[in-house]
Amino acid sequence: DAGVIQSPRHEVTEMGQEVTLRCKPISGHNSLFWYRQTMMRGLELLIYFNNNVPIDDSGMPEDRFSAKMPNASFSTLKIQPSEPRDSAVYFCASSSLLGDNQPQHFGDGTRLSIL
Amino acid sequence: AQSVAQPEDQVNVAEGNPLTVKCTYSVSGNPYLFWYVQYPNRGLQFLLKYITGDNLVKGSYGFEAEFNKSQTSFHLKKPSALVSDSALYFCAVRLTGGGNKLTFGTGTQLKVEL
Repeated sequence: DAGVIQSPRHEVTEMGQEVTLRCKPISGHNSLFWYRQTMMRGLELLIYFNNNVPIDDSGMPEDRFSAKMPNASFSTLKIQPSEPRDSAVYFCASSSLLGDNQPQHFGDGTRLSIL
Repeated sequence: AQSVAQPEDQVNVAEGNPLTVKCTYSVSGNPYLFWYVQYPNRGLQFLLKYITGDNLVKGSYGFEAEFNKSQTSFHLKKPSALVSDSALYFCAVRLTGGGNKLTFGTGTQLKVEL
């Protein structure tokens, strides 16, 4: 079975540019999470969706960050405008809502570098 | 509020020796507890979980974890470490009935040496 698919795997862009990260969750999963990982702050939850609806976006650092989930098989995380401090690895994860003990399954991340 | 602590940033162990990666948790209700492993340039991979019942949970790759309610701990163990076990390990907690948001620890780097 295909796991969580993220694209691109690597992104290098200049400060001020718009960045869009993409995620395809595991088929049948109805919960989706966006995380950011840095050496300084570790793993941070940015936002998560249940059944395509945003449930908790308290981890989104500021208004430059936005996330959408237009359907059950696709989500985007957008940064506009980007800044060097946004450089990190961004992970998407998905899980089933069947019971609340289902593990999250992670993609391999997008390594973002803002110059 | 729920939280999880991994007191060791790094654990070093010789191949063939038993390994323990420590985790303690703090929740106001009954916890679901998870262990994940992260290899370089990869996402986190699920290893095992504790829901209820037997305090000793067995997971992937020969790992197991022991739930101790009185000590609020959920340490990860393996009887005989392999060099290939070297990776970053994360403990995570979720409240029962509290939705499916996980709270992760800061991670412990495990290094297994020959």
